[in-house]
Amino acid sequence: AQSVTQLDSQVPVFEEAPVELRCNYSSSVSVYLFWYVQYPNQGLQLLLKYLSGSTLVKSINGFEAEFNKSQTSFHLRKPSVHISDTAEYFCAVSRYSGNTPLVFGKGTRLSVIA
Amino acid sequence: DGGITQSPKYLFRKEGQNVTLSCEQNLNHDAMYWYRQDPGQGLRLIYYSQIVNDFQKGDIAEGYSVSREKKESFPLTVTSAQKNPTAFYLCASSPTGRTEAFFGQGTRLTVV
Repeated sequence: AQSVTQLDSQVPVFEEAPVELRCNYSSSVSVYLFWYVQYPNQGLQLLLKYLSGSTLVKSINGFEAEFNKSQTSFHLRKPSVHISDTAEYFCAVSRYSGNTPLVFGKGTRLSVIA
Repeated sequence: DGGITQSPKYLFRKEGQNVTLSCEQNLNHDAMYWYRQDPGQGLRLIYYSQIVNDFQKGDIAEGYSVSREKKESFPLTVTSAQKNPTAFYLCASSPTGRTEAFFGQGTRLTVV
């Protein structure tokens, strides 16, 4: 079985400062990794994903995450945050085989302070 | 527009009543999922279906039931056996052979 640990439940950060949201996973098989973002009272939106290939993956709005197999981590980073980045972020994992349900971490609430 | 539609957005029910949450998708996805979200708990899997007329229990299926009679529809019934039904419910779907899930906007159920 897979599991995901998001090490910080809340992360406050000042606007234009860098941020890192940490995610570690546990699995006995190869996995795919995802980061989702959720704004208040809305569904989840896919932010970025690692399936194979380059271990550094990037989103269109400046976030990036690096897959580290030896440390079983997939931390999310942004060099300079904006007020609009305030949201809850979820790390998720699934097995290599298709259509298996995602297993989510408990989420990290990012609060950007002006 | 293609997407996943959950209705209603807000739902209030009295304790002891069954209630059905709707989830419809027009993305032609084979797999559909129901998750429950509680503050600080992340998303927990209730049920999922990889094909029409077949579904599997997730981690917290007790007190819930589903059906999958059509590819585009996957309704969730919260029964009176569910001891703490107040939560935010999210429906998702994924294309064949892919694991990334696409989510609806959720239904917030409050039982009073």
